Amino acid sequence: GDSVTQMEGPVTLSEEAFLTINCTYTATGYPSLFWYVQYPGEGLQLLLKATKADDKGSNKGFEATYRKETTSFHLEKGSVQVSDSAVYFCALSPGGTSYGKLTFGQGTILTVHP
Amino acid sequence: DTGVSQNPRHKITKRGQNVTFRCDPISEHNRLYWYRQTLGQGPEFLTYFQNEAQLEKSRLLSDRFSAERPKGSFSTLEIQRTEQGDSAMYLCASSTRWNRVLGGYTFGSGTRLTVV
Repeated sequence: GDSVTQMEGPVTLSEEAFLTINCTYTATGYPSLFWYVQYPGEGLQLLLKATKADDKGSNKGFEATYRKETTSFHLEKGSVQVSDSAVYFCALSPGGTSYGKLTFGQGTILTVHP
Repeated sequence: DTGVSQNPRHKITKRGQNVTFRCDPISEHNRLYWYRQTLGQGPEFLTYFQNEAQLEKSRLLSDRFSAERPKGSFSTLEIQRTEQGDSAMYLCASSTRWNRVLGGYTFGSGTRLTVV
């Protein structure tokens, strides 16, 4: 079945540092890929998504590129802020034109210090 | 549009009791999903509906769990004879059917269940 593997955390960075959170997946066909963020005490929010190979999703300074050859969707940000401290989840949904169930990674806790 | 609404936010129950949670999706969304999230883990898929039809159920959904979406709008998730292992955050999400629509899935804030 489908699966998502994220780099083990937690990740601790200083403000303005570069961030990479690795995500690899196993799926049949051509899934859609997502990054969700969960701030303390809040629900899951969509951060960015990509629906086909070589697509780049971007939002709030975060980027991730859908790499089919390496089955990866790594999250990057050039300069993190304290307000980026949260839990980040990589996820996939089955391919095709319709939405289906999401399969999530285990999450990566990011803490950014001033 | 107020997003996906879940009630209650918190529920504490004694082992062996039945509990029911409610989810109100975004009105234009015809797909509705239930997930369970335990501490330190990502959400795990439980089941989903398209309108009132339940399209898929996870093997995680034991016989004690049942979900309904009787009129294709709100949904309920019932857990019978609760066990301590049922303690978790129960998340609801909704989406359109076709993924060409921007935005993807929208999640509610969840119902936190504690079984004592």
